[in-house]
Amino acid sequence: AQKITQTQPGMFVQEKEAVTLDCTYDTSDPSYGLFWYKQPSSGEMIFLIYQGSYDQQNATEGRYSLNFQKARKSANLVISASQLGDSAMYFCAMREGNSGYALNFGKGTSLLVTP
Amino acid sequence: DAGITQSPRHKVTETGTPVTLRCHQTENHRYMYWYRQDPGHGLRLIHYSYGVKDTDKGEVSDGYSVSRSKTEDFLLTLESATSSQTSVYFCAISEAGLAYEQYFGPGTRLTVT
Repeated sequence: AQKITQTQPGMFVQEKEAVTLDCTYDTSDPSYGLFWYKQPSSGEMIFLIYQGSYDQQNATEGRYSLNFQKARKSANLVISASQLGDSAMYFCAMREGNSGYALNFGKGTSLLVTP
Repeated sequence: DAGITQSPRHKVTETGTPVTLRCHQTENHRYMYWYRQDPGHGLRLIHYSYGVKDTDKGEVSDGYSVSRSKTEDFLLTLESATSSQTSVYFCAISEAGLAYEQYFGPGTRLTVT
């Protein structure tokens, strides 16, 4: 069963606008971590932001924030003031205590920022 | 940037030949991982290691083996490469625990003809 679901294969946003990338997850483990990674066309995986299941506040890192709704099992990434350099694939991932803390990834969302 | 390298970065090989990919880290992290990335699938775990000589299977381990004889090196072997193993392979490292970031290597693009 898919543990991480990203329902938006592709998204467009205009420069300087905010955009929300959706992510829902499935786990019965009360302790888990949620991550977002960015993959530009050059191919490297860049860590953006982390949210722990017990964290009371939503995580923020500069222009990135994670809208964590635990009851809905959603962990949406919000990018404020989009820039052309934000055009990339974005992956949501979850880490549980099994499988050596490996990450379960969603299939990704391709974001294109237009001028 | 985390000290993690992969070699080779690109490889073209023929069906049926053995292939070994190397991941090398300078961070002394305990956990190392091999993922493969295919269009429409995100990244999927092949194998992981939680210490020297300690490895375990991931979601898509069939056709792959791994070895870790030193903390810094994690090898992925395709015993007899098939066209379905054409993919981009990423190595990653992390410390134990849910909150630790996983650092990724630059990836190896493998084509099996």
